[in-house]
Amino acid sequence: DAKTTQPTSMDCAEGRAANLPCNHSTISGNEYVYWYRQIHSQGPQYIIHGLKNNETNEMASLIITEDRKSSTLILPHATLRDTAVYYCIVRPPSGAGSYQLTFGKGTKLSVIP
Amino acid sequence: EAGVAQSPRYKIIEKRQSVAFWCNPISGHATLYWYQQILGQGPKLLIQFQNNGVVDDSQLPKDRFSAERLKGVDSTLKIQPAKLEDSAVYLCASSLAGGKANEKLFFGSGTQLSVL
Repeated sequence: DAKTTQPTSMDCAEGRAANLPCNHSTISGNEYVYWYRQIHSQGPQYIIHGLKNNETNEMASLIITEDRKSSTLILPHATLRDTAVYYCIVRPPSGAGSYQLTFGKGTKLSVIP
Repeated sequence: EAGVAQSPRYKIIEKRQSVAFWCNPISGHATLYWYQQILGQGPKLLIQFQNNGVVDDSQLPKDRFSAERLKGVDSTLKIQPAKLEDSAVYLCASSLAGGKANEKLFFGSGTQLSVL
């Protein structure tokens, strides 16, 4: 599986956009980029995923570079409830283990009042 | 829609004792996963079931850990005997079919195990 690199921690002011980067330079052409987050004392929660095109849903936007070697998760108006660890995961489309998620250490996002 | 249910929420045991965790996935979800999350790290997959069959248990320490999903619905994970390094949060997750790359996993809140 392609590995991902994320900053250990980030701060964001409440109400501002939070931009969380992720590097995945060894990603294969058919691997998806997934984002999950984990709020303290809870299980991980799905946020968004994409393959090549940028994606947006009610929670966030995902921007994937044209070469697919990096991506950015954008929380447009961060609130205190967005304080969590954010995981960027690259997931193969098929084969053994393809339907699993392999987590790294993620980015600890702190939203500051 | 009910989420993934896990119990107990917390468990404290002494080393060499046995412990069991229970998980009930979202209704209709064929695939069930058990993850172990040590403090400060991301979750690590222990075992994956598709209905009542094991798909992947390559990272399950089989000398002390066991898991079953007899009727293809709920599942139990057991540790016998427990070691200090087993202290972690044990997370259960489920997904609809496990056969699509863009399928979401839904996680329970986990069981926090402390081994003293």
